[in-house]
Amino acid sequence: EPEVTQTPSHQVTQMGQEVILRCVPISNHLYFYWYRQILGQKVEFLVSFYNNEISEKSEIFDDQFSVERPDGSNFTLKIRSTKLEDSAMYFCACGRANTEAFFGQGTRLTVV
Amino acid sequence: KNEVEQSPQNLTAQEGEFITINCSYSVGISALHWLQQHPGGGIVSLFMLSSGKKKHGRLIATINIQEKHSSLHITASHPRDSAVYICAARLDSNYQLIWGAGTKLIIKP
Repeated sequence: EPEVTQTPSHQVTQMGQEVILRCVPISNHLYFYWYRQILGQKVEFLVSFYNNEISEKSEIFDDQFSVERPDGSNFTLKIRSTKLEDSAMYFCACGRANTEAFFGQGTRLTVV
Repeated sequence: KNEVEQSPQNLTAQEGEFITINCSYSVGISALHWLQQHPGGGIVSLFMLSSGKKKHGRLIATINIQEKHSSLHITASHPRDSAVYICAARLDSNYQLIWGAGTKLIIKP
């Protein structure tokens, strides 16, 4: 069964460093999403991406965040200058329609 | 006020019991998702509903659009069903999923 693959599974980074979280969506899926879950809290929407541009973003997704599809297959989330409060589990999701969602296993980001 | 409310927050049951987890929402939705989050954190999509009822193995999900309520049922529960179950609502004309807080389910042998 096709699946969404996220790498790395766990990343530790120093505050102020840039991180790139990578996602390989299911082939032929056109809608892409990033969510995050701070430990012990609800999952939160970050951004949606369709047709090579951001469709919608939340208040969390400020100028420190960016997304792109660098090569037509990978879907990345970049955090330019990480803060301690960016520590969370980050989930990538994709779908063929804007109501579907197939999730990756997540990347646990720890900012120290 | 939370737009998506789940109950109960925690549920412990014996193996074999019939389990019901409830989800209420206060906004217009285009679809409602039920998801399972394992202890390691990974999320698996179980169902996506916009009306009626869906069944997959021992799992059944129902939604009542008029009452803005959905339920997830597990028949013949098993310890491997232990996980956090989350409902998430996709708003009308919107790409966001609004997530419930989750129900932590423990099934004892």
